[in-house]
Amino acid sequence: GAVVSQHPSWVICKSGTSVKIECRSLDFQATTMFWYRQFPKQSLMLMATSNEGSKATYEQGVEKDKFLINHASLTLSTLTVTSAHPEDSSFYICSAIRAASGMLDTQYFGPGTRLTVL
Amino acid sequence: TQLLEQSPQFLSIQEGENLTVYCNSSSVFSSLQWYRQEPGEGPVLLVTVVTGGEVKKLKRLTFQFGDARKDSSLHITAAQPGDTGLYLCAGNTGNQFYFGTGTSLTVIP
Repeated sequence: GAVVSQHPSWVICKSGTSVKIECRSLDFQATTMFWYRQFPKQSLMLMATSNEGSKATYEQGVEKDKFLINHASLTLSTLTVTSAHPEDSSFYICSAIRAASGMLDTQYFGPGTRLTVL
Repeated sequence: TQLLEQSPQFLSIQEGENLTVYCNSSSVFSSLQWYRQEPGEGPVLLVTVVTGGEVKKLKRLTFQFGDARKDSSLHITAAQPGDTGLYLCAGNTGNQFYFGTGTSLTVIP
């Protein structure tokens, strides 16, 4: 168990458009989901922490109006990149924590979404 | 400033060689994890260590948690091309979860 999916796996869009990325916990409930951004051969950079039913907590330097996060249910969080620009091109990864555990170190990662903005 | 520094950042070795990756911090962690990530995929958990001085083995991989729970190492014996990937350590302080800077390993056949 503990499978996390992301959709889409790869998206190409024009500059100025908005893109929505979904993160789903398929076989467990997740009270908390995390969104990360990653550049090639670099580590993951935490963008925001998403808690079900409440506003996301953004890391310093991450524009909340640019990266809209919604965690409407215990199995789904979405990241919307608004008015995307080429510098937003990156690999976006989500992770989820089981509702039962509440332990930070039991994160289950999605397969990632590659965003390319032309 | 990264809380967890990994070294080396890049490593390219021949098949069959041994290697060690280090993960260092000045902070104390309640637990530390190691992940491997392949291009275009999410990180996959390899191991979690929680006790200072703990050593865990996973086939050819040996993980050690420092006595003071501030650092860790990953040793790979007789590396194989399938070990190629990005290795990430990650520490949990109880309130926060931090990823290391990453080590990109390439094993040449």
